[in-house]
Amino acid sequence: QLQLQESGPGLVKPSETLSLTCTVAGGSIRSSLYYWGWIRQPPGKGLEWIGSIYETGTTYYHPSLKGRVTISMDTSKNQFSLKVASVTAADTAVYYCTASEAAQGHGYWGQGALLIVSS
Amino acid sequence: SFVLTQPPSVSVAPGETARITCGGPNFESKSVNWYQQKPGQAPVLVIYYDSDRPSGIPERFSGSNSGNTATLTISRVEAGDEADYYCQVWDSTSDHWVFGGGTKLTVL
Repeated sequence: QLQLQESGPGLVKPSETLSLTCTVAGGSIRSSLYYWGWIRQPPGKGLEWIGSIYETGTTYYHPSLKGRVTISMDTSKNQFSLKVASVTAADTAVYYCTASEAAQGHGYWGQGALLIVSS
Repeated sequence: SFVLTQPPSVSVAPGETARITCGGPNFESKSVNWYQQKPGQAPVLVIYYDSDRPSGIPERFSGSNSGNTATLTISRVEAGDEADYYCQVWDSTSDHWVFGGGTKLTVL
């Protein structure tokens, strides 16, 4: 059973780069079964998919965030990461890391990490 | 960009059947996933590929997809089903996942 856990700073200043890491247990991020991804939820609002990465290193990003977002993998630590550049208050959200089996949807979720953008 | 339309809220009495819809263009060519999210918790996948249930999801949860509308049906609704529900599809024109705006299910 996969288990995912987000970690990050909690607070980021406007215009800086937000960085989050997801540690995976119970499976390898080199598995061809899963796409590893990030989804966020601003306070009181709905879900927004940010992007995904596959074990080949292929990445997919939401069109509205492309150019500001980078997702990468560290196979030695069984982790994958999210970076969002030039953040504003609109990037304040709970960030979830997920695992999905292709089009079967996001079957595994971390507990979520709240990131606040504020000076 | 692909837009999924859900009703903001649905109310149902315990024991009744709740139907939550998700509308979008050319749905018949897409697979729809559904998520349940209770307050303060991460979402849970309850339906994938329009109508398949992950292990551990009760049979009371079912899904269908016809024409331009997908429907999540919850039979014999319980108080514990009160949550926000989101539909999701893969937009293959620009290779990204799209979520509906969410529907709050209230159990009266």
